[in-house]
Amino acid sequence: GENVEQHPSTLSVQEGDSAVIKCTYSDSASNYFPWYKQELGKRPQLIIDIRSNVGEKKDQRIAVTLNKTAKHFSLHITETQPEDSAVYFCAAVYSSASKIIFGSGTRLSIRP
Amino acid sequence: KAGVTQTPRYLIKTRGQQVTLSCSPISGHRSVSWYQQTPGQGLQFLFEYFSETQRNKGNFPGRFSGRQFSNSRSEMNVSTLELGDSALYLCASSSVRGSTEAFFGQGTRLTVV
Repeated sequence: GENVEQHPSTLSVQEGDSAVIKCTYSDSASNYFPWYKQELGKRPQLIIDIRSNVGEKKDQRIAVTLNKTAKHFSLHITETQPEDSAVYFCAAVYSSASKIIFGSGTRLSIRP
Repeated sequence: KAGVTQTPRYLIKTRGQQVTLSCSPISGHRSVSWYQQTPGQGLQFLFEYFSETQRNKGNFPGRFSGRQFSNSRSEMNVSTLELGDSALYLCASSSVRGSTEAFFGQGTRLTVV
């Protein structure tokens, strides 16, 4: 069935270090992979996305990689800052639907 | 351009009651999807509407239903509320279906007592 697995569930890194979150999806019909950041008490907000015809995308300190063969995708945050502390969700979207299948989330904490 | 608006923001209901939540998408967006967020189950897909038709439905009981109006506004209804229905209900709108950015509303926090 449709499933997205996300690891780790919690991640604590020193300010300035890098953070990596990994996801695996099950359905090969997925062709769009957004990442959302949700701060406490707020709505999920898109931070970066990648489509299945692209292997890597970067936006300042954030990058996402996609291995379509292995059905893996990852989020990389470099030079982490206190404001990066939040819950991050990976997701997979099916080509003909606005149906987002979310991973279980990663709570990222940045230690000063 | 106004964002996605959900009303009400907070709601307290008693077991057995029913509730209706509203979502107004971004102007021009025709696709609206609904999600339930709980600490234990994370973010789960409820259903998707496009052009007033339900296009997809998640694994929720029939007590959960929805509809979309001609102006793309959507409502979801939960009947015979259970304690386990307590959650944050989020809707998202997209300009088209599929591989495009979804914008989320602030959600409706439903508490069932």
